This record gives sequence, C-alpha cells and structure tokens, in this order.
Amino acid sequence: DAGITQSPRHKVTETGTPVTLRCHQTENHRYMYWYRQDPGHGLRLIHYSYGVKDTDKGEVSDGYSVSRSKTEDFLLTLESATSSQTSVYFCAISEPVEVTDTQYFGPGTRLTVL
Amino acid sequence: GQNIDQPTEMTATEGAIVQINCTYQTSGFNGLFWYQQHAGEAPTFLSYNVLDGLEEKGRFSSFLSRSKGYSYLLLKELQMKDSASYLCAGMDSNYQLIWGAGTKLIIKP
Repeated sequence: DAGITQSPRHKVTETGTPVTLRCHQTENHRYMYWYRQDPGHGLRLIHYSYGVKDTDKGEVSDGYSVSRSKTEDFLLTLESATSSQTSVYFCAISEPVEVTDTQYFGPGTRLTVL
Repeated sequence: GQNIDQPTEMTATEGAIVQINCTYQTSGFNGLFWYQQHAGEAPTFLSYNVLDGLEEKGRFSSFLSRSKGYSYLLLKELQMKDSASYLCAGMDSNYQLIWGAGTKLIIKP
C-alpha cells in the first residue's frame, strides 16, 4: 500500500460540466501520474508531475489540465467533460524499487459522462 | 513508434502452468514491467526485468530477451485467485511506461 487515495471513487456527470478528480498521497513521493484506462487500450498517460507546480503532458492530455500546489495532492480537471472522457482514471506514484522507479496505483475513479 | 503487444485472453486450468507473452518496441529501453489487475481494481506491481534472463518470485517468473524485444510471465501452480488481467509495460528512454492492453487470464477448475 503506497498510501494513495482517490476521490471521488465514482462520479456521473453531464456533458459540458467541469469535473475535478483528486489524488492524495501520504508518503512524500515526488512523482505523480494520471492515467486513463479504457477497454482494448493500455493505460494511457494524461499528465504527470515531478514536483510542486512542476507538471508535464502525457500521451492524451487534450481536454485535461492538472495542478499540484502541495506535494501530497495532484488534481486532474476536465474543463468541459465529453462522453469520450468516460473512463476509469488511475493516479499513480513512483518510488525506487530494486534498480528502477516503480509505479504504484491508487484505487481508481470511475467517471461516466452522459 | 512505440508499441506493446500481448494476447487479449488466455485460458488455463487450476494447478497448471501458463506463459503470457509480450513483445515490445520502445524508443530506448529502461526495463520491462509486469502488473496484475483484478477486475474492478488497480494494477499491482509483479516484476521488473532490465537484464536478459529469468527472474523468479515464488510461483511467478518473468523472462526478458532484449535482443528479441520479448518478455514472458510464467505462472505456476495456478490458483483460482490468479484469474486477472496481466499488463506488460516497457519503460522508454524518458522513463515513461508504455502499456500493453493486457491479457485476461481465465482459470478453470
């Protein structure tokens, strides 16, 4: 257990509304990630952070923004949700294990956009 | 481009052995990860290989051949609780993970 929580765990919203998902970690990890997982696709990186106020885009960043004002919190915002953003969203941290950094995942948020 | 290929689904019998294959193409290579994901849950880390050869951890082993861009996960003495998806991920030169779509493993009694 890497001390990662996500909130909310489930959310149903309507097209066009803004949505913010929260990832919270308790162990002072520097790197944090947001992924989405859809059937038939591997996990796809949306954004990641390498420190407070330091973020970068991943493979599927369009329509998403992130913020990290504190080490422990990494927020993912859908500015105007669309049905194509219906997905399961996972937050992850990385920590050194053996000879490399290994990612550990939060429990996920299931988002449905109607 | 970067790509990870693994079979979509496999079926095996309780008590048997199963091998899940993964081929990868990444821009640079900093290792190969395997994760297990039960339905409705988060992925959990199983193994990491960066050198050629076999790494054994209890009932699970993972193999890597860098020259062939190939890895496999070997599960022995299968148990019903091993029914899950197994995700293969390659780490590229930027230390980002490129993920396969996962192999759903069905265990039959």
